[in-house]
Amino acid sequence: GAVVSQHPSRVICKSGTSVKIECRSLDFQATTMFWYRQFPKQSLMLMATSNEGSKATYEQGVEKDKFLINHASLTLSTLTVTSAHPEDSSFYICSAGGTGPNEQFFGPGTRLTVL
Amino acid sequence: GENVEQHPSTLSVQEGDSAVIKCTYSDSASNYFPWYKQELGKRPQLIIDIRSNVGEKKDQRIAVTLNKTAKHFSLHITETQPEDSAVYFCAASRAGNQFYFGTGTSLTVIP
Repeated sequence: GAVVSQHPSRVICKSGTSVKIECRSLDFQATTMFWYRQFPKQSLMLMATSNEGSKATYEQGVEKDKFLINHASLTLSTLTVTSAHPEDSSFYICSAGGTGPNEQFFGPGTRLTVL
Repeated sequence: GENVEQHPSTLSVQEGDSAVIKCTYSDSASNYFPWYKQELGKRPQLIIDIRSNVGEKKDQRIAVTLNKTAKHFSLHITETQPEDSAVYFCAASRAGNQFYFGTGTSLTVIP
């Protein structure tokens, strides 16, 4: 149990376009999902906390108008990188909160490359 | 917000030796401290965790210690094996479940 998927696993896009990444909890319902960004050889940095049916809470320094997060159901959260630029190229990982305290299950990540 | 520091950034040990990675955190309200192992291009895998009401926890070759007063916690791997080579991240969390990760330690176990 507690499987989280992400789609796509890899995406290459042109500068200026928008890219949507999906995060799904496959066998459980997740009221809360988290989005992280990881640059090469760096740590996972929390971007935002997404709660089903409400607006996401963004970490300081993360542009909410550039990284649009939608959590429309208990099994799906999406991250849209709008007007992507090469500096947005990164590994984006989502996680879904479980029922236990502090429980999180990570997705496999999405490698975004912006040309 | 929470600030988690991790040392060392790289660590090389001979197979069979022990490896120790240390983390400090800033938010005294943090109450959960997981450790993750991440291989290149893959998702982090939880290897052990500890809560603030416990000082030490062990699982076979892996142990974690927590000093709440000093706000630091450590990962200990004994009898290291080549397959332990990976990047290890500590994290701190409080109510609300947001994880704040350390900067990572690249561990290399030399056969």
